[in-house]
Amino acid sequence: DQQVKQNSPSLSVQEGRISILNCDYTNSMFDYFLWYKKYPAEGPTFLISISSIKDKNEDGRFTVFLNKSAKHLSLHIVPSQPGDSAVYFCAGCFYNQGGKLIFGQGTELSVKP
Amino acid sequence: GAGVSQSPSNKVTEKGKDVELRCDPISGHTALYWYRQRLGQGLEFLIYFQGNSAPDKSGLPSDRFSAERTGESVSTLTIQRTQQEDSAVYLCASSFRQGTPEQYFGPGTRLTVT
Repeated sequence: DQQVKQNSPSLSVQEGRISILNCDYTNSMFDYFLWYKKYPAEGPTFLISISSIKDKNEDGRFTVFLNKSAKHLSLHIVPSQPGDSAVYFCAGCFYNQGGKLIFGQGTELSVKP
Repeated sequence: GAGVSQSPSNKVTEKGKDVELRCDPISGHTALYWYRQRLGQGLEFLIYFQGNSAPDKSGLPSDRFSAERTGESVSTLTIQRTQQEDSAVYLCASSFRQGTPEQYFGPGTRLTVT
């Protein structure tokens, strides 16, 4: 039972344009959702999170949108930069049950100059 | 300050041998998590420690896997009688657990079972 799904394994975007990474979930009990960025041979780096009671959170070039009725969230990166090229993971968090994260499969973003 | 550190960075072992992986969390972080990432897949939760509470072992895939943590410091993940399907990157993360959900990850240990 895959509770968090990222259906696009890869995405290619031109530098300066918007990158939109999508994530779907099935479990309504998640307290938070988080996005992580991962470079090869490194651990994931935290980017941004959103509480399940919010619908938007913004931090610089990164904005996360949450649509609870559709059980869908998205990460927008504007403007995209070549250094943003990495694998992006979304995760649901059971914060009130210890905080464990349930990850999607990841989307590899390539930002071309 | 120092981030989460893990050792060794790479481990190659023969099938049937035991391995021990180590994690040093960020100082002051009360919670510690182990995950693993198999090739081409997302991270999979294994086990969680919070202070002196009983650990959440719900993600451990078999009784060959065990983990320990002393207080709020170092943790070790032990895999006994390793199998080829245990090959993965094992990642450790720690967090404050003070109202924010983010966890900070170490660089991982790449385990290869031959």
